[in-house]
Amino acid sequence: RKEVEQDPGPFNVPEGATVAFNCTYSNSASQSFFWYRQDCRKEPKLLMSVYSSGNEDGRFTAQLNRASQYISLLIRDSKLSDSATYLCVVNDYGQNFVFGPGTRLSVLP
Amino acid sequence: SQTIHQWPATLVQPVGSPLSLECTVEGTSNPNLYWYRQAAGRGLQLLFYSVGIGQISSEVPQNLSASRPQDRQFILSSKKLLLSDSGFYLCAWSGDGPPQPQHFGDGTRLSIL
Repeated sequence: RKEVEQDPGPFNVPEGATVAFNCTYSNSASQSFFWYRQDCRKEPKLLMSVYSSGNEDGRFTAQLNRASQYISLLIRDSKLSDSATYLCVVNDYGQNFVFGPGTRLSVLP
Repeated sequence: SQTIHQWPATLVQPVGSPLSLECTVEGTSNPNLYWYRQAAGRGLQLLFYSVGIGQISSEVPQNLSASRPQDRQFILSSKKLLLSDSGFYLCAWSGDGPPQPQHFGDGTRLSIL
């Protein structure tokens, strides 16, 4: 079983749609969780950290379920500029950051 | 604010040639530093990380080496490049202490001919 798994994608959605990405992790001792976005041929950029109580940043909402070892990212009112690959990242301990394979999103006009 | 610089942005090298990629961080001290490689259409593979000057941990056996001669400088090297070394190389830093997110440089796209 892979350490971090994500929806395989790609997701093709119309502008204005709501889209949700799922991520599961295998290590129950994982400490910290993050969502990154990566544009084609660019570096990953931090989108948001994921807190135990869930957190929201504008149109983006992240949720964490430690019991199910599951993280989600919800994007409301999708924009064309949201098109990218979304990476789930889990930190087990110290400097061990484990990246998921990513889910590609295309927002269509 | 903290910034990370990585160069060069692109590099084309012949098989068997040496490699040196450099990464520097500004605006923070004692950062954790990382080198990743991303093959086309694939996920990120951690190559090396460093928690301090002269301290290098290698994640995978490979043709590459890393060094940290100064607190905010991280260098990725190879004596003889292989075709399989082609890829997108990313340097990243994170803060010291409790787990904090990583921040990436712009990356170096390396093509081996």
